[in-house]
Amino acid sequence: QTVVTQEPSLTVSPGGTVTLTCASSTGAVTSGYYPNWFQQKPGQAPRALIYSTNNKHSWTPARFSGSLLGGKAALTLSGVQPEDEAEYYCLLYYGGGQGVFGGGTKLTVL
Amino acid sequence: QVQLQESGPGLVKPSQTLSLTCTVSGGSSSSGSYSWSWVRQPAGKGLEWIGRIYTSGSTSYNPSLKSRVTMSVDTSKNQFSLNLTSVTAADTAVYYCARGGYWGQGTLVTVSS
Repeated sequence: QTVVTQEPSLTVSPGGTVTLTCASSTGAVTSGYYPNWFQQKPGQAPRALIYSTNNKHSWTPARFSGSLLGGKAALTLSGVQPEDEAEYYCLLYYGGGQGVFGGGTKLTVL
Repeated sequence: QVQLQESGPGLVKPSQTLSLTCTVSGGSSSSGSYSWSWVRQPAGKGLEWIGRIYTSGSTSYNPSLKSRVTMSVDTSKNQFSLNLTSVTAADTAVYYCARGGYWGQGTLVTVSS
């Protein structure tokens, strides 16, 4: 069974920079896994931020960026705002188009 | 502005079939080459990918659910649907539909007798 791993929790100061990562149990994550990133706040539906590694939706704030880093997919927040405190999920696609979500990273802005 | 709305029973009995529909407004279910996805989230837990269907009708399902899942799309109604058979309490969750970055608000489905 394929497992996608994210940091369980991270803390960042307002105005700071933080990088969340997304690893695959199958090996290095490449663009062929079409990494997606989502933000979810309590009581809300997830909101899509990044698709296909580094592409932003029209509503994605400029401070969010996606990349590949050291064999993982990465989401970097630069100039973190208090409203960025949320749970973040990555989604990778595997053979046959099957998707697997990571367990989520709880980001605290403190 | 594209909006998605899930609809269906909020309560399903064990062993029965969970059926949900997602209706798209502000866009067309057939415009472009999109995949339509279903995702669920048990209370207090993470997201689980259920599967997706393309406008062509081809599908891809979570292997752990594949034997119980069927998805379909009705482009004339701008709707796509999810059927999950033989449900148990473990299928209790908020179910979301999504397309092209847009998500529905989610609908809670409880499996209980």
